[in-house]
Amino acid sequence: QIQLVQSGPELKKPGESVKISCKASGYTFTDYAMHWVKQAPGKGLKWMGWINTYTGKPTYADDFKGRFVFSLEASASTANLQISNLKNEDTATYFCARRLTTVATEFDYWGQGVMVTVSS
Amino acid sequence: DIVLTQSPALAVSLGQRATISCKTNQNVDYYGNSYMHWYQQKPGQQPKLLIYLASNLASGIPARFSGRGSGTDFTLTIDPVEADDTATYYCQQSRNLPDTFGAGTKLELK
Repeated sequence: QIQLVQSGPELKKPGESVKISCKASGYTFTDYAMHWVKQAPGKGLKWMGWINTYTGKPTYADDFKGRFVFSLEASASTANLQISNLKNEDTATYFCARRLTTVATEFDYWGQGVMVTVSS
Repeated sequence: DIVLTQSPALAVSLGQRATISCKTNQNVDYYGNSYMHWYQQKPGQQPKLLIYLASNLASGIPARFSGRGSGTDFTLTIDPVEADDTATYYCQQSRNLPDTFGAGTKLELK
């Protein structure tokens, strides 16, 4: 069955970095792009951007340019999100979600989310 | 960016109909499809796809859920509402980047 399994919760201090993984299984990894979505505590969903799993090219939403990096370990069917110079406002749950690369439609499968807490 | 507006909360009795609306500030139709999708999210869980392209039921979703609309006005209907449907419902557009979501509608039981 199709699954996106994300890494575990993280507790970090301001200024540190974090790397979150999203391991896909049950389908051909390169047929679907991987998108990232942020949800701050008690808030709604915010699209962060996506990575083309065939070419490795990332695209970032404006609010996520600079400290955020999407990457792949294609041989392991894994997408990663790295956040550097963490700030308190990065405290959130981060979801990966897949979508067909060729058609901008729905996110049909989501990871379970990773809670990142940034606190001194 | 396309802005999606949802009412924040809705209270419905068990067995009744719930209608959740989503209005956009730009047309999300393109070549015969409406690029509007609906998700259900329960506390501590990831969003779950319910409806894609405005009116298509996602795999495994009961027929109590339905979606309709086009252009800038969309609705998600749950009929009849069951206890397990208490959750927050989000609309999302994929017509233009960046993808944007509504703020969510929290469905509660009376």
